Amino acid sequence: GESVGLHLPTLSVQEGDNSIINCAYSNSASDYFIWYKQESGKGPQFIIDIRSNMDKRQGQRVTVLLNKTVKHLSLQIAATQPGDSAVYFCAERGGNDYKLSFGAGTTVTVRA
Amino acid sequence: DVKVTQSSRYLVKRTGEKVFLECVQDMDHENMFWYRQDPGLGLRLIYFSYDVKMKEKGDIPEGYSVSREKKERFSLILESASTNQTSMYLCASSPGQGIQPQHFGDGTRLSIL
Repeated sequence: GESVGLHLPTLSVQEGDNSIINCAYSNSASDYFIWYKQESGKGPQFIIDIRSNMDKRQGQRVTVLLNKTVKHLSLQIAATQPGDSAVYFCAERGGNDYKLSFGAGTTVTVRA
Repeated sequence: DVKVTQSSRYLVKRTGEKVFLECVQDMDHENMFWYRQDPGLGLRLIYFSYDVKMKEKGDIPEGYSVSREKKERFSLILESASTNQTSMYLCASSPGQGIQPQHFGDGTRLSIL
């Protein structure tokens, strides 16, 4: 079956630096991708999404890049802040299935 | 802001008990979801409902059932709780045009002894 995975389970970032969180997916038919953020003790929070007809999408301090050739998705966070410390998940939707497949998550820790 | 409220943050039950997890959303969303979250496995969909009294099985429905009698409320039922159902349970909702979960509750950590 399809799998969604993140390259690294943990990421430590200096406050003020940019963060890059990576995600690989295996289903070439996937047409929609979402990044979620989950802070300790809370449910996941929708950050940004991107459709497969796009390569890049920007939000507030976040950018998602999609490389369909290598089936790779990344989330870039500019000027990382302590409040960005959380677990980040990518999720994909298969082209013919409404259900999302979630990666296991990357824990981002921001160092002061 | 949309609020998805799960009735309990922590719950401890015994093997064989019938367990009810309740979820309420306040934004008149059509879609509601139940997921479980386990370390290293990501979120896995248990059940999904796109309208009152309508439900669809997710990836891991065995041992669970759901009830959606009112639009704002989606209940997850463990018919006969087992220790392998110890987990974090997350409820979510989304409006009709987007059937992916947008707003999550803060979760119920369920322990089955």
